[in-house]
Amino acid sequence: DTAVSQTPKYLVTQMGNDKSIKCEQNLGHDTMYWYKQDSKKFLKIMFSYNNKELIINETVPNRFSPKSPDKAHLNLHINSLELGDSAVYFCASSQETGGFGNQPQHFGDGTRLSIL
Amino acid sequence: KNEVEQSPQNLTAQEGEFITINCSYSVGISALHWLQQHPGGGIVSLFMLSSGKKKHGRLIATINIQEKHSSLHITASHPRDSAVYICAVPLIQGAQKLVFGQGTRLTINP
Repeated sequence: DTAVSQTPKYLVTQMGNDKSIKCEQNLGHDTMYWYKQDSKKFLKIMFSYNNKELIINETVPNRFSPKSPDKAHLNLHINSLELGDSAVYFCASSQETGGFGNQPQHFGDGTRLSIL
Repeated sequence: KNEVEQSPQNLTAQEGEFITINCSYSVGISALHWLQQHPGGGIVSLFMLSSGKKKHGRLIATINIQEKHSSLHITASHPRDSAVYICAVPLIQGAQKLVFGQGTRLTINP
């Protein structure tokens, strides 16, 4: 009964490959996010979706393409992986009706992506 | 310069000590979030507050809106409190997103 689940937990792949990370939330939230955490543990927003619509695309290279088939799922596809893509990627969700930022965000366990 | 600054970046203390982690921000906010990231990597929301003080067990969070400052306190610290503590504020002007501090790595030695 995990609230926000993302798969896989670890992803090791070669430069140039294409990979996907999946995220699902069972909290009934209307907003989902992808965050990137670099080697210094700094978290930055990549994308946010509200009810399947893209709200934020934070100057992420277009090799990264989020897809939200329904409001419970937000997947992240990455084309032509580069060394600099190595990081931990976190999915999160929140219920943002009534104004942004006033509800806690629930995070998945993260996907550690390593590019060889 | 980041909109959210935390101090200290690293903190090592002995079990039982009173811990304070500080967070300063430079933008107007509706609420401030404190998160905990365990050594295993998972992130948990600890507090969300817009005024005053909140308490959960041995953790206490305070905020001073006028001074744009928040503190996270841990009383009677325990080795299991060892984690990275992250402060975040929602930007409500323009693109609405959480902006994070760089985190404070806390180590509690037995």
